[in-house]
Amino acid sequence: GAGVSQSPSNKVTEKGKDVELRCDPISGHTALYWYRQRLGQGLEFLIYFQGNSAPDKSGLPSDRFSAERTGESVSTLTIQRTQQEDSAVYLCASSTGTGSHEQYFGPGTRLTVT
Amino acid sequence: RKEVEQDPGPFNVPEGATVAFNCTYSNSASQSFFWYRQDCRKEPKLLMSVYSSGNEDGRFTAQLNRASQYISLLIRDSKLSDSATYLCVVNWSGGYNKLIFGAGTRLAVHP
Repeated sequence: GAGVSQSPSNKVTEKGKDVELRCDPISGHTALYWYRQRLGQGLEFLIYFQGNSAPDKSGLPSDRFSAERTGESVSTLTIQRTQQEDSAVYLCASSTGTGSHEQYFGPGTRLTVT
Repeated sequence: RKEVEQDPGPFNVPEGATVAFNCTYSNSASQSFFWYRQDCRKEPKLLMSVYSSGNEDGRFTAQLNRASQYISLLIRDSKLSDSATYLCVVNWSGGYNKLIFGAGTRLAVHP
């Protein structure tokens, strides 16, 4: 079946502009995660959604970052007033959220802020 | 101290070699442990879960030492296709499926 998809695959933006990244999880997966991965670095947790529960936003680095998810479907990660340090790959993952810890990752969005 | 620590490597080994990676974690209440693999410019994918009794999947063996809070991955008879970054992953014990990823250990297998 279809895996996690993300769009766009690449995004180049000018410093100060807003960007919106999209994630389509695997159908039926109630848990959805956003991560950031800078070049040569590990995955940095950003935010977690589980069903209709309040999201865990503890990983968001600043108030310029926000994310939404409608029900158990698409999620969008928005970065306002982008800075050069926001340049990274933004990865989305989903899981069944029922005890399985395996997360299925999308291919990521490579964001470059010039 | 980082929640999950790994030697970044790189480990450069010839084909056929046996190589082992270790990983330490700081939260003694963590319950679930995994190794993920990430190829260059690709997304991470689950390689194997790590069970208390140790487990093996073909050429790969994972071990868990709760007392010392470390996890290991052993790869036997290395193949060129094993070249990748191996991520040690620990379940955060806060009650949901939040995974904490190590920064990864890079393996390069050469002919």
